[in-house]
This record gives sequence, C-alpha cells and structure tokens, in this order.
Amino acid sequence: DADVTQTPRNRITKTGKRIMLECSQTKGHDRMYWYRQDPGLGLRLIYYSFDVKDINKGEISDGYSVSRQAQAKFSLSLESAIPNQTALYFCATSDHAGTGIHEQYFGPGTRLTVT
Amino acid sequence: GIQVEQSPPDLILQEGANSTLRCNFSDSVNNLQWFHQNPWGQLINLFYIPSGTKQNGRLSATTVATERYSLLYISSSQTTDSGVYFCAVLYSGGGADGLTFGKGTHLIIQP
Repeated sequence: DADVTQTPRNRITKTGKRIMLECSQTKGHDRMYWYRQDPGLGLRLIYYSFDVKDINKGEISDGYSVSRQAQAKFSLSLESAIPNQTALYFCATSDHAGTGIHEQYFGPGTRLTVT
Repeated sequence: GIQVEQSPPDLILQEGANSTLRCNFSDSVNNLQWFHQNPWGQLINLFYIPSGTKQNGRLSATTVATERYSLLYISSSQTTDSGVYFCAVLYSGGGADGLTFGKGTHLIIQP
C-alpha cells in the first residue's frame, strides 16, 4: 500500500464551487505539505504544517485553506474555485524527529480542472 | 528566495546513451532531492543528496554543496527513463519549510 495517498485522483469542478482535496499518510511523519504544479513548471508550496497545531502559509496560499485533522491527515480546500487553479496538486510528508534528514515523500497527485 | 536552475531544459537521446543533468542553486541548503516525474504525473524519489555522491543502479548523483551544484548521471538510458527530472532544494537559512523546485529537464529516450 502507498505511504502517502491522495483523494480524489482526478476532479473536474465548476467556477465558484467549494472543493476539498484530502491527503493521508502512514509513514508516521510529523510534517505535511501541499504543492501545486502548473504545466511546464516545477512545484510551488501552498501550505505546510509542522504538527496538528502548527500551520503555515507557503509561497502561493491565496485562494486556499488547509486543515490538519490529525497527524496523518492534511486537507486542502478551495473555497471558491477559479479556472487558474486548474493544476496538479501534490501532498508530501517529511520526518523531522531530530534525525537531521529532511527528505520529503510525495503522494501520487490530484489532477484538478476548474471549468 | 533561493533560486534553482536546471540544465539542459530539454534532452533527446537514443536508447543506450549516457546523460548528465545539472542543478545550480543560489544559497546553502539542508536538503537536495532529485525526482523523476513519469508521463502519468507521478513524482518518484531518486536521491536525497544534500552533499556527497550516491549510486542506485544506472543512476548516480553528486552534490558539491560548497560550489552550489548537483549532477544527476543516467547511464545506458532506457525508454522508461523518459520524463521530467526535477531538482529541489530546502534553503538552510530558515523561512518556509517547503522545497524550491527547478523547472526541470525534459528527457526523451528514443528506441
């Protein structure tokens, strides 16, 4: 089974609709992240969370919100979707339990289309 | 913020050829990772390599942190190596905890 899962894997929605993307992990990691990827570009950070009580904005947080429901679950919401939020969305995790290793592990991605 | 530049942007090779992909970054880093994004969009971890050299089969990577660059070597290319290769770094000077990605190298291996 995959260590980092994302649901849904594909979604088409209409402008103005609220949509939630979900991420779950079984790696036991404390840190979780949401990124988006636009065609022909690398990933950009939307939000990240160090633990359930610590949530931080990334480079492109406008138009998005997040919820860390548990150590293993991190959700991304688009309150009112717009077409330029059409992108591939990735969730990632990392473990900072004093190991000094900062490797991030990515989920399979959610392809979101806003019409 | 930290800048990440990858070269070349595009590379077309015949099966069996060797290749070297380069990643330059503008500041000190705690983390440097290489990823392969396959045609289905999935990101596959290749190496976690903030410094030093690692090898995994036909792939190897070297990061010279003091000179702020990393190289990914692919030997005896196969068609399944096609896709986009990303370098991503975590700035060691604080701020946002996420990786900063380069724009990638698009590799096409022809049979």
